[in-house]
Amino acid sequence: KNQVEQSPQSLIILEGKNCTLQCNYTVSPFSNLRWYKQDTGRGPVSLTIMTFSENTKSNGRYTATLDADTKQSSLHITASQLSDSASYICVVSVRSGGYQKVTFGIGTKLQVIP
Amino acid sequence: DAGVTQSPTHLIKTRGQQVTLRCSPKSGHDTVSWYQQALGQGPQFIFQYYEEEERQRGNFPDRFSGHQFPNYSSELNVNALLLGDSALYLCASTTRSREWGSSYNSPLHFGNGTRLTVT
Repeated sequence: KNQVEQSPQSLIILEGKNCTLQCNYTVSPFSNLRWYKQDTGRGPVSLTIMTFSENTKSNGRYTATLDADTKQSSLHITASQLSDSASYICVVSVRSGGYQKVTFGIGTKLQVIP
Repeated sequence: DAGVTQSPTHLIKTRGQQVTLRCSPKSGHDTVSWYQQALGQGPQFIFQYYEEEERQRGNFPDRFSGHQFPNYSSELNVNALLLGDSALYLCASTTRSREWGSSYNSPLHFGNGTRLTVT
């Protein structure tokens, strides 16, 4: 069982619509949770980083939420654009021997259509 | 300010061969990690280098080895290539500040990867 699970696996939405992606994790002790956007054939790009004490963070049209009690996070995209088509990856970090140990989710593949 | 650069961008090797991938971290970064991303999967952590030493390692066999140079650049070496080694290999860099609290929340900056195909 993956320690970071994302849903849905894939999603198709119309341009201009909103959507929400989910991430549930079991890794501990929790350090931070990040959302990355990965375009096809490119490296992931950081969207948001949240620590234990933060429950929401925005980056333009992207808003991430975190519930550290239930170990759930969501990424909300408003007014979607064609350029939002990508994979969105949830990454959870734990502290391990003075370093970060990161666990990646499989990602949600989002396709925005005209 | 150059970001993370990886070379080559694409590579085709034959089963049993050896390969070396290269990574230059973002300016000012001193910690480099390597990841393997199979098609349709999330990245899997291979190992991390800091101060020219391997600091953490994921569940990868000894065929995967690495090196970090004094200028913080890094290499990933894979010996005895298998068909299953075909993947996108990503390098990420960050700063391991002496203030550990801040370093934990530093974003990882990724390169665009090297696409390795083993035939």
